[in-house]
Amino acid sequence: DAMVIQNPRYQVTQFGKPVTLSCSQTLNHNVMYWYQQKSSQAPKLLFHYYDKDFNNEADTPDNFQSRRPNTSFCFLDIRSPGLGDAAMYLCATSRVTGSGANVLTFGAGSRLTVL
Amino acid sequence: GQNIDQPTEMTATEGAIVQINCTYQTSGFNGLFWYQQHAGEAPTFLSYNVLDGLEEKGRFSSFLSRSKGYSYLLLKELQMKDSASYLCAVQDSNYQLIWGAGTKLIIKP
Repeated sequence: DAMVIQNPRYQVTQFGKPVTLSCSQTLNHNVMYWYQQKSSQAPKLLFHYYDKDFNNEADTPDNFQSRRPNTSFCFLDIRSPGLGDAAMYLCATSRVTGSGANVLTFGAGSRLTVL
Repeated sequence: GQNIDQPTEMTATEGAIVQINCTYQTSGFNGLFWYQQHAGEAPTFLSYNVLDGLEEKGRFSSFLSRSKGYSYLLLKELQMKDSASYLCAVQDSNYQLIWGAGTKLIIKP
């Protein structure tokens, strides 16, 4: 089945120790997103890639970086995690054609714990 | 500014009907989504409305009034597995989604 796969599902790190989260998709969607979601809050968009074009949200901290080496893969790097970065990180994809509904397909998420 | 409001939590009884409301104020509007999110899991797509009116899909229906900036999700014949958060999201003119914080629905036997 075509899907969005995130690894790892659970990541525990120490304060300040870099972390990389990965996302792969077999849907051949042209847009990939990284969201941060804390308990009982709305998903917060960190970045998105429209094909190869990288879009950084204005309020995404510099501590967060992203890479999309090809259309199927996307990575989220957290350079120096702080306690406030503990959250669920959601990768999503969509096919944006310029009209109609932009339906997002989400991966299962990566839950980050910072000790 | 952009704002989406939903109740934080609702409780309903198994077999009953519940309506979850969403009001929005956004700079652009290109449709409204409802997603379901079970605890610890990713959101999954439920419905999309771009025109005024009611869209029915099995036990779930979604309504939109663009003039009032208002939508609701109606869940009928509630089942225990419907216990989840329900997220309202507006698609803006750039095809980006503006998300509400979600409504946690608790189903009691």
